[in-house]
Amino acid sequence: QPVLTQSSSASASLGSSVKLTCTLSSGQSNYIIAWHQQQPGKAPRFLMKLEGSGNYNRGSGVPDRFSGSSSGADRYLTISNVQSEDEADYYCQTWDSNTRWMFGGGTTLTVL
Amino acid sequence: EVQLLESGGGMVRPGGSLRLSCAASGFTFTDYAMTWVRQAPGKGLEWVSGISASGISTYYVDSLKGRFTVSRDNSKNTLHLQMISLGAEDTAIYYCAKAQGKSGGSFDSWGQGTLVTVSS
Repeated sequence: QPVLTQSSSASASLGSSVKLTCTLSSGQSNYIIAWHQQQPGKAPRFLMKLEGSGNYNRGSGVPDRFSGSSSGADRYLTISNVQSEDEADYYCQTWDSNTRWMFGGGTTLTVL
Repeated sequence: EVQLLESGGGMVRPGGSLRLSCAASGFTFTDYAMTWVRQAPGKGLEWVSGISASGISTYYVDSLKGRFTVSRDNSKNTLHLQMISLGAEDTAIYYCAKAQGKSGGSFDSWGQGTLVTVSS
């Protein structure tokens, strides 16, 4: 059963870049994940699907400031030129044929 | 444009029941699995239940202990979640989400959510 581990918090200065990490459990390094953003008081929003190869596909309307990458069991979400509206919770999500769908605990991004 | 519109939330007493619905539009409903995700106050996202595109296969998080039943009406492009024996721990915003495959895959669309409050 895959487990997704995320740091609980991160911070970034306005205009800088930040890299958030989602770590899959051992044996799941080839899993595809998705990144979702949840701004305060709003529903989650799909950002991108990210493969173990590092290939990613952004959702409709997602700015190209958001990019993804992978290394082994780690999946990354990089936000470039951080804006105030990027202050949000970020969740990684995956699925498998046994346990179906699951989420990481989420990372709260604070924009300084 | 994909649209998912949940309804049916509200306040219910402990032990009560509630039926949530999610009306889908903007895509071929019968091609995709659909799921329910909830978020308790101040907490993270928790996947609750899912159903395959055909409706034949259903999936639940183990902790539900058989209290929830997911279904879909492919003729009406609607997803349902029947909840019974509700407790305070079920208080949450319930979101429906569309998966990218017929029986799994990443979530690529979300509804706006419906609030369920279990309180006496």
